[in-house]
Amino acid sequence: GAGVSQTPSNKVTEKGKYVELRCDPISGHTALYWYRQSLGQGPEFLIYFQGTGAADDSGLPNDRFFAVRPEGSVSTLKIQPAEQGDSAVYVCASRSGRIGDPGNTIYFGEGSWLTVV
Amino acid sequence: GNSVTQMEGPVTLSEEAFLTINCTYTATGYPSLFWYVQYPGEGLQLLLKATKADDKGSNKGFEATYRKETTSFHLEKGSVQVSDSAVYFCALRYTGGGNKLTFGTGTQLKVEL
Repeated sequence: GAGVSQTPSNKVTEKGKYVELRCDPISGHTALYWYRQSLGQGPEFLIYFQGTGAADDSGLPNDRFFAVRPEGSVSTLKIQPAEQGDSAVYVCASRSGRIGDPGNTIYFGEGSWLTVV
Repeated sequence: GNSVTQMEGPVTLSEEAFLTINCTYTATGYPSLFWYVQYPGEGLQLLLKATKADDKGSNKGFEATYRKETTSFHLEKGSVQVSDSAVYFCALRYTGGGNKLTFGTGTQLKVEL
């Protein structure tokens, strides 16, 4: 597609449930990022993929959070079990990641609004 | 660690007023610096960037200069429009860290007629 696409745009779930958030990056982009944005804050880094592998997962807050990118394109962020403190906007971004082109732009999706009640 | 501090909002201005949004950073080495803008209901968009000291980034009438001596990257615009109303985020990026971004908390700008 033309931009980074995220689904669902909004999700309300109950505490203890399993959550999946999907990111479809710009076609051909090898680098993919997940960020979390709480109300009144800037986005905070969660995880970065280069191709299929997680190159940096230092931002994942705990082992309830997990992300995959099995074919190097679409990525899924999983939260299990969800807690009320997980309520935030989860934002995905992608970059072309061409070797030797460190200045290439990062493009952001509109985010998935997650509310855990 | 790396961090970005920007002025709190909301900033409310009349159309055609001069805008400054302050941003300072803490980082080891020499990061690249960015301003992103988020319009209501939309994702973050890159507004401008600077990759080394004394570089000036500019776009759509906005500009910011990378000041290493004051570790600052203040955003300015000479004459704001109602359509500039949005949230502005200052950010830094390390090329050695997978190019991940560290953001400030954002500054909401409201421009009134």
